[in-house]
Amino acid sequence: QKEVEQNSGPLSVPEGAIASLNCTYSDRGSQSFFWYRQYSGKSPELIMFIYSNGDKEDGRFTAQLNKASQYVSLLIRDSQPSDSATYLCAVNPDDKIIFGKGTRLHILP
Amino acid sequence: DAGVTQSPTHLIKTRGQQVTLRCSPKSGHDTVSWYQQALGQGPQFIFQYYEEEERQRGNFPDRFSGHQFPNYSSELNVNALLLGDSALYLCASSLAGQTTYEQYFGPGTRLTVT
Repeated sequence: QKEVEQNSGPLSVPEGAIASLNCTYSDRGSQSFFWYRQYSGKSPELIMFIYSNGDKEDGRFTAQLNKASQYVSLLIRDSQPSDSATYLCAVNPDDKIIFGKGTRLHILP
Repeated sequence: DAGVTQSPTHLIKTRGQQVTLRCSPKSGHDTVSWYQQALGQGPQFIFQYYEEEERQRGNFPDRFSGHQFPNYSSELNVNALLLGDSALYLCASSLAGQTTYEQYFGPGTRLTVT
């Protein structure tokens, strides 16, 4: 059973601080890794994707991938109240994408 | 650039009925995947369509079926609805053949089965 595990949260972070979201996956054959943001009642929005070990930065977001440890993380710098949402980690071990259950992030004003 | 569109936005059906949901992919995309998202859960993969054929399927019963049209749009059909089918149904589009695998979601259809 291919799985993606995330802490459900909620994770509370003060405004302006760094939010750190983590994800582990079970299938070592996974090649692509994604972070989606989902506001309540809305559909997931792709915010980051990463394929190689190491870090990938895009604005305030940094995705980190460690294939040996089967671990993906998302850092959000200078957290804003608008970052409050559920963050879904997703991997694709084959031609379909497997999602975690998501981590609820709450940015405290 | 037209994004992924889905219709209808909301739907209420009675147990035992049948439902059809529709999706148009993002401009330039040729692959459509369908997901079911129950409250508090991540999206669960139902199936994927490419070149008008089902290419991959998740762990969903045969009551769930689909179709892709020559213009790449797609339908999801669910027969003999159960209360447990109540969920947000998401369509995601992508472009086949890319080494990357980004999928972009539509706004979803909220299905309530009573």
